[in-house]
Amino acid sequence: DSGVTQTPKHLITATGQRVTLRCSPRSGDLSVYWYQQSLDQGLQFLIQYYNGEERAKGNILERFSAQQFPDLHSELNLSSLELGDSALYFCASSVRPGQLNEKLFFGSGTQLSVL
Amino acid sequence: DQQVKQNSPSLSVQEGRISILNCDYTNSMFDYFLWYKKYPAEGPTFLISISSIKDKNEDGRFTVFLNKSAKHLSLHIVPSQPGDSAVYFCAASETDKLIFGTGTRLQVFP
Repeated sequence: DSGVTQTPKHLITATGQRVTLRCSPRSGDLSVYWYQQSLDQGLQFLIQYYNGEERAKGNILERFSAQQFPDLHSELNLSSLELGDSALYFCASSVRPGQLNEKLFFGSGTQLSVL
Repeated sequence: DQQVKQNSPSLSVQEGRISILNCDYTNSMFDYFLWYKKYPAEGPTFLISISSIKDKNEDGRFTVFLNKSAKHLSLHIVPSQPGDSAVYFCAASETDKLIFGTGTRLQVFP
């Protein structure tokens, strides 16, 4: 158990809908990262937050947004969903940013299926 | 543009033999490299890392080699065990981003 909690584990929805994925980092970790794993695409970095502030952005679509709350949990919002958004979404946490020689701790992911 | 590439999607190795997983990168600014291991229905877990100022790091059965001139790193697992069967991701760090490759599925058979 990594200590990172993601909910829900599975999500099935229709095109055009909006969903929210939730992540609780490990106790004491201030930094949260979101990754998307599509078939054969590896882990694509989406966005990173540190202590409530956006720290780095990757290939995140404009239809996607995220935030980190004062209690350090994070939510990833996906709107106007398309079939191609079907993927496994991972959240990871670390103590602080810019120290990526430190390992990230990953949750078990949310499997999103857009039908 | 894939900055971290794992060109072998799968690898099959006999138990007790050496497994060699390869990774190539394009960005010379990467300063740290990591390997993560992923079992089905679980998130990736950290395995081993190497700083760009080193060329080798060893941890038990796992050794990572870095060739900066070739922009290439490899993970050696010796001896391979059935429990090593998983997907292995190579990753490289650039400031606050950790860029992952597409993964290599390793199967270790008896």
